[in-house]
Amino acid sequence: EPEVTQTPSHQVTQMGQEVILRCVPISNHLYFYWYRQILGQKVEFLVSFYNNEISEKSEIFDDQFSVERPDGSNFTLKIRSTKLEDSAMYFCASFQTPATGYTFGSGTRLTVV
Amino acid sequence: GDSVTQMEGPVTLSEEAFLTINCTYTATGYPSLFWYVQYPGEGLQLLLKATKADDKGSNKGFEATYRKETTSFHLEKGSVQVSDSAVYFCALVVRAQKLVFGQGTRLTINP
Repeated sequence: EPEVTQTPSHQVTQMGQEVILRCVPISNHLYFYWYRQILGQKVEFLVSFYNNEISEKSEIFDDQFSVERPDGSNFTLKIRSTKLEDSAMYFCASFQTPATGYTFGSGTRLTVV
Repeated sequence: GDSVTQMEGPVTLSEEAFLTINCTYTATGYPSLFWYVQYPGEGLQLLLKATKADDKGSNKGFEATYRKETTSFHLEKGSVQVSDSAVYFCALVVRAQKLVFGQGTRLTINP
């Protein structure tokens, strides 16, 4: 079964550093998303991406964050100048149509120290 | 705005017990409804879905029926196993908008 692949599985970074989280969505999917889950809390929407541009973003997704689809396969989330409160599990997801349901990657656990 | 409310956890049951996790929603338009499961240390997996009123989603012995009149999508299983221990998330999506999650319900099954 096709999968959404995320790398790395775990990233530790110092406060103030930049990190790039990588995702390879399923090849025929058209909609791409980033979500995050702070430990023990709700899964929160960050940003959606369609047709090579951001289609919606949450209030969490401020100037510190950016997304890119640099080639036909990768979808990246960049966090500039990380803060302690950015520590969370970050999930990439994609779908072909909303009714088929999202496919999530296994996540990247980001720890900011 | 669109929202999902799940029953508070944690929920602890004995093996072979009957499970219900309540989920209600508020949405503009006609949402598709989902249950996702997160096993310890893993990502989110789609458990089942329903795209229109009165549809029943089912998978691995779990079932949920899309009830428009009560705006509910309760998850049920007739006989739970230890391996069902996980966090369960109810969620909805309207058109191509973002997936909106409930707060999650942690389920622990004791042998």
